[in-house]
Amino acid sequence: GEDVEQSLFLSVREGDSSVINCTYTDSSSTYLYWYKQEPGAGLQLLTYIFSNMDMKQDQRLTVLLNKKDKHLSLRIADTQTGDSAIYFCAEKSGSGGYNKLIFGAGTRLAVHP
Amino acid sequence: NAGVTQTPKFQVLKTGQSMTLQCAQDMNHNSMYWYRQDPGMGLRLIYYSASEGTTDKGEVPNGYNVSRLNKREFSLRLESAAPSQTSVYFCASSGGQGKELFFGSGTQLSVL
Repeated sequence: GEDVEQSLFLSVREGDSSVINCTYTDSSSTYLYWYKQEPGAGLQLLTYIFSNMDMKQDQRLTVLLNKKDKHLSLRIADTQTGDSAIYFCAEKSGSGGYNKLIFGAGTRLAVHP
Repeated sequence: NAGVTQTPKFQVLKTGQSMTLQCAQDMNHNSMYWYRQDPGMGLRLIYYSASEGTTDKGEVPNGYNVSRLNKREFSLRLESAAPSQTSVYFCASSGGQGKELFFGSGTQLSVL
């Protein structure tokens, strides 16, 4: 079945770049997502990438997609303390018109001074 | 803007009790979802409703039932709560394929 895997923890120094990695299993996934969850809150969409793209950049965020290896990464440049949160990778499951997502376990990013 | 509203925010149940988690969205979205979040396991899909009038099982449907009352509302019912259902529950909605999922703020449920 479908599965999404990501490392559970990442610690970085403020001002450095953070790279969060994710692997997925469904080669037919058309959309791949990064969601952010701050303490006590629901998830918010950070960015997404279509499967026919290799890279997407949005301000401090860069998403890289390697379809051959089914590997997705999120790079946050100039990481700030406000970036401390849990980051979830997700792939769209199925071909229906709805948007059923399969999520990874989440990577907790800790930013220290 | 309300977005996705879940009630209650917190609930404590005894084993065997029943309860219904309510969810409503005001974005005219067709699809709605219930997820549970457990430490180290991310979010797992319990049930979803692709459109009004339809519901389908997700990854972990056992012990739950859902009702898509109308386009706005999608409720999750625990008929006989078990300690294994202690979790944080999130409702979400989306406008269609590829569209962003909007999440509610969650319900923290403890079953003793």
